[in-house]
Amino acid sequence: NAGVTQTPKFQVLKTGQSMTLQCAQDMNHNSMYWYRQDPGMGLRLIYYSASEGTTDKGEVPNGYNVSRLNKREFSLRLESAAPSQTSVYFCASSAAPGLAGTYNEQFFGPGTRLTVL
Amino acid sequence: KNQVEQSPQSLIILEGKNCTLQCNYTVSPFSNLRWYKQDTGRGPVSLTIMTFSENTKSNGRYTATLDADTKQSSLHITASQLSDSASYICVVSGGSQGNLIFGKGTKLSVKP
Repeated sequence: NAGVTQTPKFQVLKTGQSMTLQCAQDMNHNSMYWYRQDPGMGLRLIYYSASEGTTDKGEVPNGYNVSRLNKREFSLRLESAAPSQTSVYFCASSAAPGLAGTYNEQFFGPGTRLTVL
Repeated sequence: KNQVEQSPQSLIILEGKNCTLQCNYTVSPFSNLRWYKQDTGRGPVSLTIMTFSENTKSNGRYTATLDADTKQSSLHITASQLSDSASYICVVSGGSQGNLIFGKGTKLSVKP
């Protein structure tokens, strides 16, 4: 039982390049989330998927797209990377459908450290 | 504006000592408050989750308190260990969309 896994762990891109961050969970959770964490700031929600087949924008969605491939997998795509997207990206999942709710604990992956030059 | 403020930003203590971390929030409506521990280079891990009716919740040497009237929470760490060195993040669930609002964290360093 690996929990939430993310690939890759590290990535360096040049401005304008594209890439997809992968996330998978083996806990049979309904909801999945993508966050970014920048120095001196709290985690911010990029996109989330309340249940399989649905995706919604979070606080900072510009420059990103997501795909909920199936119940296990939720990917984040940067179509044309910019230096402002240099950050650590975390994927999370939770059992109950919906965004936060009562006692809807979120489990986080280990993160992807992305640098855009 | 919904905000979560944590203090201090950083803290250094000696192994075996106790410490208390603070969290003030202005989130409304309020659903629940969580404390996470984040080791360097890792994802956050949940320590406690409390609703407005819960004043205290413990998880081993970690005890969280919540005062929903004053919108304050604290995380008390007893008999600190070197492995407690991490960032501790206060997260409030609520607001009009039920989002999670993250504080910036307190970085704790436990020295031998």
